[in-house]
Amino acid sequence: GENVEQHPSTLSVQEGDSAVIKCTYSDSASNYFPWYKQELGKRPQLIIDIRSNVGEKKDQRIAVTLNKTAKHFSLHITETQPEDSAVYFCAASRGGSQGNLIFGKGTKLSVKP
Amino acid sequence: DAGVTQSPTHLIKTRGQQVTLRCSPKSGHDTVSWYQQALGQGPQFIFQYYEEEERQRGNFPDRFSGHQFPNYSSELNVNALLLGDSALYLCASSLAGKNIQYFGAGTRLSVL
Repeated sequence: GENVEQHPSTLSVQEGDSAVIKCTYSDSASNYFPWYKQELGKRPQLIIDIRSNVGEKKDQRIAVTLNKTAKHFSLHITETQPEDSAVYFCAASRGGSQGNLIFGKGTKLSVKP
Repeated sequence: DAGVTQSPTHLIKTRGQQVTLRCSPKSGHDTVSWYQQALGQGPQFIFQYYEEEERQRGNFPDRFSGHQFPNYSSELNVNALLLGDSALYLCASSLAGKNIQYFGAGTRLSVL
């Protein structure tokens, strides 16, 4: 079955720096790749997603890139702020009627003021 | 517009007992998925319901069962609870044919 590996497990940056989180997936049929942010004790919130027919997507300070050949995708956060501190999860899915999400183990991002 | 709501927020049970968790999807959504999130881990897919049928199932034993009602709300039932069932149970809703899933705040289950 699908397996999603996520690195690093923890990441500490200074406010204003960039942060990059990387994921690899195993199922070549996966075509949808969302990223969720989960603050302590709260629900996972979708922050950005990308479909397999797109190589890059950007939303303000957040961007995601996808390399289908290498089966990896990355989350880039620029100009980090303390409120970006949270656990970030990547996920992969075949979409449609097989739309279950397979999650990575998460990255705990700490942004120091 | 209410988002995904789950009840109860917290639950404490003992080994061997049975539990029922509830989920109301986001308005307009017809598909409900359930996930188990152990401490420090990513959510793991349990099953997905659409049109009151289990459409997809993850690698969970038959002790985990579910139901979807005509109003699209859903229940997750776990029988013969084990200590290892202690986790945050998340419900996510979506619209059939659309990929985006919205999560509820979860039910924290503790099995003693």
